[in-house]
Amino acid sequence: AQKVTQAQTEISVVEKEDVTLDCVYETRDTTYYLFWYKQPPSGELVFLIRRNSFDEQNEISGRYSWNFQKSTSSFNFTITASQVVDSAVYFCARVDFNFNKFYFGSGTKLNVKP
Amino acid sequence: EAGVAQSPRYKIIEKRQSVAFWCNPISGHATLYWYQQILGQGPKLLIQFQNNGVVDDSQLPKDRFSAERLKGVDSTLKIQPAKLEDSAVYLCASSLAPGQTPRRTQYFGPGTRLLVL
Repeated sequence: AQKVTQAQTEISVVEKEDVTLDCVYETRDTTYYLFWYKQPPSGELVFLIRRNSFDEQNEISGRYSWNFQKSTSSFNFTITASQVVDSAVYFCARVDFNFNKFYFGSGTKLNVKP
Repeated sequence: EAGVAQSPRYKIIEKRQSVAFWCNPISGHATLYWYQQILGQGPKLLIQFQNNGVVDDSQLPKDRFSAERLKGVDSTLKIQPAKLEDSAVYLCASSLAPGQTPRRTQYFGPGTRLLVL
């Protein structure tokens, strides 16, 4: 099975703490893309980042950073100095290169308390 | 640039009734997707269109669900008759066509929350 696993069902932190959301994927493809989406209470999935399997450089965007490690099939997401507005469900996804079919993880609910 | 539009946002029906959802993708996006998201789970693809042709409908319960995308733009998803287990959020997403970059990024609409009583 080409699954995406987000083992952390729910995480609670206090504002300004750093938090890392884990994502582990399975694939038989040599070329694929990985994504993170944020789903706030309003329900819409908001695109955060796309990485392809050829690029293992870590990426930082403001308070967000991503750690892609092909050797361990992981694509973890870190929020630095978390804020209440970061409270949401975060989904990791892998896309089938040829057919553009997304495989989503089950999501991690992040609660950031003031 | 306008995002993916969906309507209605909320719908409550009784089992065995029928319901339809509408989606308008981002302008220029040839690929359109319908997902079902049950509470506490990740989205599950129901059907994928490329222009007005079906690319993948392997997880669409075809005895009760149908979808169409006339003229390769707007799309409707219908459930007839609805069952209790159809209660979920129905998400529409769109992306660019093959050959365009970054084609594999899907952009999602706000979803329709369906409650079947």
